Amino acid sequence: AQTVTQSQPEMSVQEAETVTLSCTYDTSENNYYLFWYKQPPSRQMILVIRQEAYKQQNATENRFSVNFQKAAKSFSLKISDSQLGDTAMYFCAFMKQQGGSEKLVFGKGTKLTVNP
Amino acid sequence: NAGVMQNPRHLVRRRGQEARLRCSPMKGHSHVYWYRQLPEEGLKFMVYLQKENIIDESGMPKERFSAEFPKEGPSILRIQQVVRGDSAAYFCASSPQKSGNTIYFGEGSWLTVV
Repeated sequence: AQTVTQSQPEMSVQEAETVTLSCTYDTSENNYYLFWYKQPPSRQMILVIRQEAYKQQNATENRFSVNFQKAAKSFSLKISDSQLGDTAMYFCAFMKQQGGSEKLVFGKGTKLTVNP
Repeated sequence: NAGVMQNPRHLVRRRGQEARLRCSPMKGHSHVYWYRQLPEEGLKFMVYLQKENIIDESGMPKERFSAEFPKEGPSILRIQQVVRGDSAAYFCASSPQKSGNTIYFGEGSWLTVV
């Protein structure tokens, strides 16, 4: 069964600095998709970044980038030039596709606090 | 293009009552998903629907919970005879098609059972 592990329950970073959130997953599939979602205090789930496993190039979205290590089954998120608005829960997710269905499997999340 | 719309945003029900949560997917999206988030936890998959079809309900409790996505109108998640353990945030999400397309979430519906 696919599992997603986020080993850092909480992290903090100073404004303008860089922080990396870790995520590992377990799967026997070769082609799949990985996501990072952000959940700010408003509780809305906001897509941060998406990675397709067959693409070797790491995905980037402005200040957000990933370090995707397929062999190690690692999918970390790097936030550069951290801003106060980045304070949120961050969830790593694996897209499981099986028997005509697809669903996201989420980690337990990392609570990130950006300090002024 | 409006996002995924959920209502109500907050719902309070007494034990034993019914809760109905509604979700309108993004325009052009034919795939709808429901997820549940308990306090201090990540989201857990409940059900995946397409128009008039339940594709995967492996995450739905066997009793009291049901979901539909009719040909016309929003998707409905229905919880009968609610208990305190049903208190949670229920998120609806949609995507235009399968195969790894990004799943977009609504703002969630918070159910409190008193």
